Amino acid sequence: GENVEQHPSTLSVQEGDSAVIKCTYSDSASNYFPWYKQELGKRPQLIIDIRSNVGEKKDQRIAVTLNKTAKHFSLHITETQPEDSAVYFCAASRGGTSYGKLTFGQGTILTVHP
Amino acid sequence: EPEVTQTPSHQVTQMGQEVILRCVPISNHLYFYWYRQILGQKVEFLVSFYNNEISEKSEIFDDQFSVERPDGSNFTLKIRSTKLEDSAMYFCASSRSGDTQYFGPGTRLTVL
Repeated sequence: GENVEQHPSTLSVQEGDSAVIKCTYSDSASNYFPWYKQELGKRPQLIIDIRSNVGEKKDQRIAVTLNKTAKHFSLHITETQPEDSAVYFCAASRGGTSYGKLTFGQGTILTVHP
Repeated sequence: EPEVTQTPSHQVTQMGQEVILRCVPISNHLYFYWYRQILGQKVEFLVSFYNNEISEKSEIFDDQFSVERPDGSNFTLKIRSTKLEDSAMYFCASSRSGDTQYFGPGTRLTVL
């Protein structure tokens, strides 16, 4: 089955800096890669996703890149703010062909210092 | 904006008791899921449900677990005889197309 590895496990940055979180996946049939933000005690919230027919996607300060050949994808947050502090999870799935089962990475605790 | 809802927010039960966790998915969604998250760990897939039947289940989802969509709006997870290791946050999620999934707020299950 799919295995998703996520690094780093913790990331500490100063407000205004950029943050990068990286994930690798094992199943070459995976074609959908979402990123979720989870604040303490709250639900995972989808922040951005990318499908395998696209190499990069951007939404304001957040961007995701995908390298299908290397089987890795990354989340980039620019101009970080204290409210970006949370746990970030990457995930992978085969999309609609497998009813969408998500395999998650281990999570990255991002702390943005004012 | 419609959201997935779950009840109760916190359930405390004794080992060996049955629990039912309830979810109301987003109304026009067709795919439903249960995940769990043990404190401080990653989110783990339990089961997916489509067209009124289980489409996939993980190794965690053994004979003690079952899911049901008893009517047009609710989606439930039943644990027949809870164990201490079932203590976790249980998240329901739904999807319209089988990829983008939206999560509910979770039910924290504590087994004593």
